[in-house]
Amino acid sequence: GIQVEQSPPDLILQEGANSTLRCNFSDSVNNLQWFHQNPWGQLINLFYIPSGTKQNGRLSATTVATERYSLLYISSSQTTDSGVYFCAAAQETSGSRLTFGEGTQLTVNP
Amino acid sequence: KAGVTQTPRYLIKTRGQQVTLSCSPISGHRSVSWYQQTPGQGLQFLFEYFSETQRNKGNFPGRFSGRQFSNSRSEMNVSTLELGDSALYLCASSRAPQSYNEQFFGPGTRLTVL
Repeated sequence: GIQVEQSPPDLILQEGANSTLRCNFSDSVNNLQWFHQNPWGQLINLFYIPSGTKQNGRLSATTVATERYSLLYISSSQTTDSGVYFCAAAQETSGSRLTFGEGTQLTVNP
Repeated sequence: KAGVTQTPRYLIKTRGQQVTLSCSPISGHRSVSWYQQTPGQGLQFLFEYFSETQRNKGNFPGRFSGRQFSNSRSEMNVSTLELGDSALYLCASSRAPQSYNEQFFGPGTRLTVL
């Protein structure tokens, strides 16, 4: 099956800084999603982005499907951005089965 | 529109018992998937249901089972609980089982096995 790798595993920032999280996947995908896991464990949808670029406020994401990677950009980070960010992918043959990366633990200090 | 709901939110059981978790998908969504999250193994796929049929299954023992009802609600059951079954169990829903459908997750059920 597909492999999904995220980097960096941990990221510590000062409030106001910008950051880039990376997700590499081993094969072609037709679903690529970014999630933020809140302190209670729920996965919050950030982006559905199998290809192209999207922006939502201070967050944006880009997926370059031909090169098998996706990037999540967080600008002007806030303490509330802290948490774990997951990337998950699915191939055409995998149905609803998402394969998750290990996540990036982001800590934003005041 | 209401999101994915899961009940109960927290559960404490002892080894050898069984447990049933419930998931109600977003209205109009007919595909439900289950995932287990543990610190050591990360997020792992358990199974997927659509039209009351299991369409896909992850690499878990037969103690883990599930079903889906005609209203798309789903339950998963774990029998003969082991300490290692302690985890956050997450349910996801999507409109249909094709991989290109965006998935939405519920708040999870945190299971502790003593």
